[in-house]
Amino acid sequence: QKEVEQNSGPLSVPEGAIASLNCTYSDRGSQSFFWYRQYSGKSPELIMFIYSNGDKEDGRFTAQLNKASQYVSLLIRDSQPSDSATYLCAVRLNFNKFYFGSGTKLNVKP
Amino acid sequence: GAVVSQHPSRVICKSGTSVKIECRSLDFQATTMFWYRQFPKQSLMLMATSNEGSKATYEQGVEKDKFLINHASLTLSTLTVTSAHPEDSSFYICSASWTSANTGELFFGEGSRLTVL
Repeated sequence: QKEVEQNSGPLSVPEGAIASLNCTYSDRGSQSFFWYRQYSGKSPELIMFIYSNGDKEDGRFTAQLNKASQYVSLLIRDSQPSDSATYLCAVRLNFNKFYFGSGTKLNVKP
Repeated sequence: GAVVSQHPSRVICKSGTSVKIECRSLDFQATTMFWYRQFPKQSLMLMATSNEGSKATYEQGVEKDKFLINHASLTLSTLTVTSAHPEDSSFYICSASWTSANTGELFFGEGSRLTVL
């Protein structure tokens, strides 16, 4: 069983719509959760992190965490073509252990 | 956010040669850095955890004698791919966390694309 699971996609949404990206993790001891965006050929860049159950909003992005269900999601409102990328969910288990999902490819169509 | 710099961004080498990749934390001290490898259309795979002043901790299946990691200072870690072969061609990315707290995020270097001919 993988530590972090994501649907590989591609997820296609029209411009202006809400994109919903999901992630599940296996270790209940996971401490913190991150969403990274990776453009093709580039290294990942951090979008958001969340530590506590509930929602966390930052601009057009909202991260949601449900520790009981071991589920993390990222909502992107008013999706733009520039949001088209692969989104990586990451989980920090402890100081030395970060695990990444395989990523979900998002296509935002103009 | 914190800055992690990686060099070189691209390298092409002949089979059998060794290649060194440098990773620097520019505005913070990183006692621990992480080295990842990413093949096309695949996710990041952790290769090893680099600890300043001590030996690196390698993930299962990663050959420590082939992928030499040195973390000589709090701001520099190097990965040397020894006797590189075409199957070692990949995107290598280093990262560091500015804090030892479990809630700290990882900051990534720009990545190094290695092509072994």
